[in-house]
Amino acid sequence: EVQLAESGGGLVQPGGSLRLSCAASGFTFSSYWMSWVRQAPGKGLEWVANIQEDGGEKYYVDSVKGRFTISRDNAKKSLYLQMNSLRAEDTAVYYCARRREYAYGVLFDYWGQGTLVTVSS
Amino acid sequence: SSELTQDPAVSVALGQTVTITCQGDSLNIYYASWYQQKPGQAPLLVIYGQNNRPSGLPDRFSGSSSGNTASLTITGAQAEDEADYYCNSRDSSGNHVVFGGGTKLTVL
Repeated sequence: EVQLAESGGGLVQPGGSLRLSCAASGFTFSSYWMSWVRQAPGKGLEWVANIQEDGGEKYYVDSVKGRFTISRDNAKKSLYLQMNSLRAEDTAVYYCARRREYAYGVLFDYWGQGTLVTVSS
Repeated sequence: SSELTQDPAVSVALGQTVTITCQGDSLNIYYASWYQQKPGQAPLLVIYGQNNRPSGLPDRFSGSSSGNTASLTITGAQAEDEADYYCNSRDSSGNHVVFGGGTKLTVL
């Protein structure tokens, strides 16, 4: 059974840092692109970042570029999101998701339960 | 444009058919995927591509696409289908991902 479990969320002051983790199990982690998707309270889903199977390619939404870093450790079957210079607008539930590509499309077929990040003084 | 546009809210009578749409320039190139999200839960993939359902999803969910518009249709809506529905696609560059703003489905 595919499982994704996020951790590391919490309350942080504006300008602070936080590192999220996502532990994967039930599939060959090193064979899949992975992503972070967030959802601000009462708002819709927003894609945050993608990382290639071997960590070689990474992509970010413009609003986090230069502040967030996605990484992975395939030996530990773990995905990470290092978040620096946090802002109030980064407050959200952060989901780890397994990304798959298909002909002319992309999907997220498994999601974790999310971890809440609150940026507030 | 890299945006996907959805109607904020749609309602359907129990047992009737409802279609939720998603519009965007990237859909002229790429297929959409659709997700159902119930309060307090993670999103669940329900449709991807032209009309593909993950195993275990009821066949009352179907998808279609034409030009810059993707559609999710629920035939014979059930009370448990009441949820928020999101579409997503690659953006026009192909490297990023975009989500629609979501549609809140109410089953009356």
